[in-house]
Amino acid sequence: QVQLVESGGGLVKPGGSLRLSCETSGFAFSGHYMSWIRQAPGRGLEWISYISGSGDTKYYGESVEGRFTVSRDNTQNSLFLQMNSLRAEDTALYYCARVSDYASGDVFDVWGQGTLVTVAS
Amino acid sequence: QSVLGQPPSVSGAPGQRVTISCSGSRSNIGNYFVSWYQQFPGRAPKLLIYDNNQRPSGIPDRFSGSKSGTSATLVITGLRTGDEADYYCGAWDNGLTGGPKWLFGGGTKLTVL
Repeated sequence: QVQLVESGGGLVKPGGSLRLSCETSGFAFSGHYMSWIRQAPGRGLEWISYISGSGDTKYYGESVEGRFTVSRDNTQNSLFLQMNSLRAEDTALYYCARVSDYASGDVFDVWGQGTLVTVAS
Repeated sequence: QSVLGQPPSVSGAPGQRVTISCSGSRSNIGNYFVSWYQQFPGRAPKLLIYDNNQRPSGIPDRFSGSKSGTSATLVITGLRTGDEADYYCGAWDNGLTGGPKWLFGGGTKLTVL
């Protein structure tokens, strides 16, 4: 059974840092691109990062570029998001999502349940 | 452009047909595949349509997608109360600056009357 389980969320002060993890199971992790997507309370989805299977290629959303870093450990089947210089507007539920290997275009075919990050003083 | 354009809400009666539009530009929808996601309150999003008009296994054929030029449409026929959810479209954008960015639509809340 394919599973994505996020962890590492919590309450952090503005300017602080947090590292999110996404543990995966049930599929060949290294063969899939992965993404982080967030959703602020009562708001829509916002894509924030994308990483290739090897970890060599990374893309970021404008709102987090330069502050967030995505990485992965294929030996541990895990995805990470290092978040620095956090702002109140980073408060959101952070989802880990798998990029499918069957579509012609990239799509997010499996999602975790999310981990909540709250940035407040 | 950071968000694809979707109507904030649509509604329909059980059994009816509703459409949800997703508008973009040449830098995104015009050159890339569109996907659609369904999200129930308190739940993670779920892939509904990929590659403009393909359904993943398990998605009923009441849901269909299409794309024309720089716009895409999700159609739901035979509306059911269980279809009440938020719907998001998404596509890559090749961007004018920096690397590619993935864009989501602002989301459409479907109400079944």
